[in-house]
Amino acid sequence: EVVLTQSPGTLSLSPGGRATLSCRASQSVTSNFLAWYQQKPGQAPRLLIYGASNRATVIPDRFSGSGSGTDFTLTISRLEPEDFAVYYCQQYGSSPWTFGQGTKVEIK
Amino acid sequence: EVQLVQSGGGLVQPGGSLRLSCAASGFTFSNYATSWVRQAPGKGLEWVSTISGAGGTTYYADSVKGRFIISRDNSKNTLYLQMNGLRAEDTAVYYCAKVPTRSGSYPYVDFWGQGTLVTVSS
Repeated sequence: EVVLTQSPGTLSLSPGGRATLSCRASQSVTSNFLAWYQQKPGQAPRLLIYGASNRATVIPDRFSGSGSGTDFTLTISRLEPEDFAVYYCQQYGSSPWTFGQGTKVEIK
Repeated sequence: EVQLVQSGGGLVQPGGSLRLSCAASGFTFSNYATSWVRQAPGKGLEWVSTISGAGGTTYYADSVKGRFIISRDNSKNTLYLQMNGLRAEDTAVYYCAKVPTRSGSYPYVDFWGQGTLVTVSS
């Protein structure tokens, strides 16, 4: 099983700031099949990024994904008030498909 | 507009059974695999099961294998999860999820249902 470790657990930033979230895999992610999701309290997750760096439909370009192999990054270039949420990475290259434990981005 | 409308959650005793349903609209249901993903209270996401668009291939997490059965009725555009032998650790919000491929071999989720709470307790 591919274990995904996200860091930091919590990121405290101000609106307008830059957020850098890390997702590290215990083994190489097949074909860089890695996705990022955003979840707000009481809501279902929302797809942001798939294939490590492809933005999903209607996702603003302030969200970007990068990385390959075992190290992946989600960057939010300028935080908007609606971006404060929990972010999860997921690998879907090897069964069982697994999620990271999440990074909470909170208002400083 | 893609919509996934879930029903069927609730309170069930340990060892009991429950069936979740997910009615899909806004896309050609049979062309896409679908999954169930769950989230225990205050915890992260856990993939549960995936079924291919035609329904012929299924995948299960080890934690539910042999107890849960995923199925779909493409004539009704509906996904199901039959949960048997429920345990306290199955308590979670269960999300129905659309996968943007037909086979479901590499399932990420592009649309999510609203979630339904399943509570296993005596």
